[in-house]
Amino acid sequence: DTAVSQTPKYLVTQMGNDKSIKCEQNLGHDTMYWYKQDSKKFLKIMFSYNNKELIINETVPNRFSPKSPDKAHLNLHINSLELGDSAVYFCASSLGTGISGANVLTFGAGSRLTVL
Amino acid sequence: GENVEQHPSTLSVQEGDSAVIKCTYSDSASNYFPWYKQELGKRPQLIIDIRSNVGEKKDQRIAVTLNKTAKHFSLHITETQPEDSAVYFCAASKGYSTLTFGKGTMLLVSP
Repeated sequence: DTAVSQTPKYLVTQMGNDKSIKCEQNLGHDTMYWYKQDSKKFLKIMFSYNNKELIINETVPNRFSPKSPDKAHLNLHINSLELGDSAVYFCASSLGTGISGANVLTFGAGSRLTVL
Repeated sequence: GENVEQHPSTLSVQEGDSAVIKCTYSDSASNYFPWYKQELGKRPQLIIDIRSNVGEKKDQRIAVTLNKTAKHFSLHITETQPEDSAVYFCAASKGYSTLTFGKGTMLLVSP
């Protein structure tokens, strides 16, 4: 069973379109994250949710809107896509906050977004 | 906030050699230091971590050392093999807070 699964794995779209990436974890973790990895391989945190509540919102354009319907799911919706949004987006989860192992991350396989 | 610097950005070694990747951090309160390995086209995965109550931790061919006074920690890989080729990320955090990652080191092991 895949611990953290995200779909789609590949996404090719035109500038200006709106797209979503979905993420689900079956580990029973309380905290979920979205990371962006650009062509230089830098892993940049975008958002973090703990038990459906937003706890980290880095300097990300408001075209990016995360949604967590329950603690096992964290989706990412992107409006008005731009060329610079092309990257690999990784979902991750961890046990939670304030407990041992809370910051050990399990990553999904990544979603490669290409904006043309 | 925390700032993690990682060096070198690329490292090429011959199979069988040792490889060392170094990271420095800025927040003296940070006390958790993991290393993640990301093979080409794959997800990052935790390979080893260390908490500040120890100075060194080993797991087979990999080891991590921590110098809290100097605020730096290092990943050591001995007897490197081609399958060790990957991007390695260090990270730091305070308590159980969110990790701050370094910019990664691409390790290339030539047969």
